[in-house]
Parts: sequence; structure tokens; C-alpha cells
Amino acid sequence: DAKTTQPTSMDCAEGRAANLPCNHSTISGNEYVYWYRQIHSQGPQYIIHGLKNNETNEMASLIITEDRKSSTLILPHATLRDTAVYYCIVRGMGSGNTGKLIFGQGTTLQVKP
Amino acid sequence: NAGVTQTPKFQVLKTGQSMTLQCAQDMNHEYMSWYRQDPGMGLRLIHYSVGAGITDQGEVPNGYNVSRSTTEDFPLRLLSAAPSQTSVYFCASSTASGGYNEQFFGPGTRLTVL
Repeated sequence: DAKTTQPTSMDCAEGRAANLPCNHSTISGNEYVYWYRQIHSQGPQYIIHGLKNNETNEMASLIITEDRKSSTLILPHATLRDTAVYYCIVRGMGSGNTGKLIFGQGTTLQVKP
Repeated sequence: NAGVTQTPKFQVLKTGQSMTLQCAQDMNHEYMSWYRQDPGMGLRLIHYSVGAGITDQGEVPNGYNVSRSTTEDFPLRLLSAAPSQTSVYFCASSTASGGYNEQFFGPGTRLTVL
């Protein structure tokens, strides 16, 4: 699985958009980009995933560059409850990879009032 | 659905003791995994299972055993606890739907080895 690079920490004002970048320059063509978050001491929570198209769900949007070497997770209107560690994970397709997530250190997002 | 449940929530062991961390899921998921998380670090994969009777090692399997006799349960056994195994342990499960799957995590077991 491709290695990812994320900033260690970021701040965001409540109500503003939070844009969390992730670099995955060694990603291969069959690897998805996943985002999970971990709110203090809880188990990680799935947010969104994508292959090459931009994706949006009720929680966030995922923007993947055309060359797929980087992506940005967007929380459109951050709230204090979005304060968490956000993990960008690249994982291959297929049953051989299912059940395995390789977590880096993630980005600690602090949403401030 | 209860989702993924883990017991106990907290445990203190002495060096050399053995114990089993329990994990159960009621979503009929084929895949289950165990991760550990040390302070200030990301999660690391210990063992995983792609179905009943099938298990495999992750990044940090030493000192741990697993078995998968049913779809619902995936216990993690510490054979002889060491202080280096002080950590938070998370269990996760997911379906096997092609290349995509969302993993569901339990609330964690906080283990301290003295």
C-alpha cells in the first residue's frame, strides 16, 4: 500500500471549511484513498473514500487531483465536534487487502470557537 | 444492531499473566481485525481474519494469538503479558464487497501491564 503524508496538526475556526491535505505520490492505479477520523479515545470512524473522482457524502467531500498523487478532505462547516485526528489511508482493491488498514499518525484538527 | 462490542473496557495485568480480549460483531461481517494504538500513535494491525477458520498476521503479531471459530467472534489472546503491550486495543469488522469496505470499530480495551 502507498505511503501517505499529512500535516501533524491544523486549526480551523468553527463554521468555516476545514481542508485537510494528504500526499500519496506513490499511489498505484488500483488503490483507493480512504479517510477515517478518531475522536478522542474512541474507535476510528469511516468518513469517505474515493478512487479518482471527487466524492461527497453527508459528512465531507473528497477532492483527488487528476494525477491522484494528493487529495484533500473538506469538512464544509466545521463544528467543535469535528475536533479529532484525521487519517488518510491508501489501500488496494481486492480481498487480499480487505480487513487491513495501515494508519499513519494523521492530522490533529482543532476546531476553535 | 449493537455493532462491534469489546470486553473488557479496562484491564490491568501483571507481567507474565495471560488474558483474552473479546470482540464480537452482529453485522455478519466476514472480515475482522485487531489493532493496537500506543499513546500519540496511529493504529497498528496485529492480526486479521477473512472468515471463520482463517486468520493471518498483521504488522505487529508477536505476543498475540487469535482464532476465528465463528463469524461473530474474534478473540485476541495475550500469551504472557509484557509492559510493552500496554496499549489501547481496537477490534474492527467489515464486509467483503469488492475493493471497497468500510471498517466498523469497537470502543476499545485499555490494557495496562505492570
